[in-house]
Amino acid sequence: EAGVAQSPRYKIIEKRQSVAFWCNPISGHATLYWYQQILGQGPKLLIQFQNNGVVDDSQLPKDRFSAERLKGVDSTLKIQPAKLEDSAVYLCASSASSGPTYEQYFGPGTRLTVT
Amino acid sequence: GDSVTQMEGPVTLSEEAFLTINCTYTATGYPSLFWYVQYPGEGLQLLLKATKADDKGSNKGFEATYRKETTSFHLEKGSVQVSDSAVYFCALSDPTSGTYKYIFGTGTRLKVLA
Repeated sequence: EAGVAQSPRYKIIEKRQSVAFWCNPISGHATLYWYQQILGQGPKLLIQFQNNGVVDDSQLPKDRFSAERLKGVDSTLKIQPAKLEDSAVYLCASSASSGPTYEQYFGPGTRLTVT
Repeated sequence: GDSVTQMEGPVTLSEEAFLTINCTYTATGYPSLFWYVQYPGEGLQLLLKATKADDKGSNKGFEATYRKETTSFHLEKGSVQVSDSAVYFCALSDPTSGTYKYIFGTGTRLKVLA
């Protein structure tokens, strides 16, 4: 079974530029998550999708971050414009459904450096 | 709000030593508790979980018991190996959030020396 795929693995941009990250979840997984992991901290949930609908985006900085999940499969997270404090690893995860019974499977992450 | 507190690392041990990584939590309801592990260059992987008080999760020689009275979920292993070197994250999922959102601790880096 293929795992969660993310690309790119690394990205370096200047502040005020825009960037997009892509995630392909495990086939058949209804729930998709984007997390931000700042160096030395644990992952923080940015947005959670159930199929192609948003169920939690309370911690997403909506003035600069956006995310979509087309047709309930792949997802894209965008930052525009980027700030220095956006430097972090962006993790995508998926699960068969929401709830503690369902394990979250994580991708390898995209490491973003904003200079 | 909900939170998870882990002991700060790094933790450095010799091979075959006993490991304890402390984790305590604060939650509104009765959360499920998890330990995730992140090996170098890889994504987070679920190590073990417990969904109710007094449950013991176990996997690969690691154990953790859900202690409601002390709001703790400490990770233990009787004899660590060099291959256990990784970052360990404690997390909770609170059903009262409605979305079962995960809250992670800051992680504890473990280094095991041969």
